[in-house]
Amino acid sequence: DTAVSQTPKYLVTQMGNDKSIKCEQNLGHDTMYWYKQDSKKFLKIMFSYNNKELIINETVPNRFSPKSPDKAHLNLHINSLELGDSAVYFCASSQVGSRMQETQYFGPGTRLLVL
Amino acid sequence: DQQVKQNSPSLSVQEGRISILNCDYTNSMFDYFLWYKKYPAEGPTFLISISSIKDKNEDGRFTVFLNKSAKHLSLHIVPSQPGDSAVYFCAAENQGGKLIFGQGTELSVKP
Repeated sequence: DTAVSQTPKYLVTQMGNDKSIKCEQNLGHDTMYWYKQDSKKFLKIMFSYNNKELIINETVPNRFSPKSPDKAHLNLHINSLELGDSAVYFCASSQVGSRMQETQYFGPGTRLLVL
Repeated sequence: DQQVKQNSPSLSVQEGRISILNCDYTNSMFDYFLWYKKYPAEGPTFLISISSIKDKNEDGRFTVFLNKSAKHLSLHIVPSQPGDSAVYFCAAENQGGKLIFGQGTELSVKP
């Protein structure tokens, strides 16, 4: 059983398009995250939700909008895709919220290429 | 401005020897540090962690050392095994509860 799953695994699209990446966790965790791994390989947090409530919102263009229909799902919608959005996006979850000190469980990543 | 840095992008070690992966940070307010391991086409998985009140934490073949005065931590793997070949990410938790990751070091353990 996959603990944190993401779809799709690969996404190739044209500039200007709108796309969504879905994430689901079956661990019963309260908190979910989106990370972006850029070309320099740094993993940077974008958003965090705790029980469907936004708790971390980094300096991310407002073309990126997370949506959490329930605590097991955190989807990422990206409008008007740009070349610089090409990256690997990882979803993660953990049991505890803002002061974690709990391990985060990561999905396999979604490789987005914007042409 | 990266607060957590892993300055060695890659490391190659012979099977059975010790692997030492290094990580430097700039923010003295970090109070918890973690190492994650990542295989190709998979997400990072938690490996070992250390609180800032400690200077060493050991779990089997893996030991993490923390030198707060130098703002440096290291991961020791001994003995190294081919299955340890992966990318290792160092991460630090800030007081806002966010994890700040380094850029990873790719470890290759040769038989």
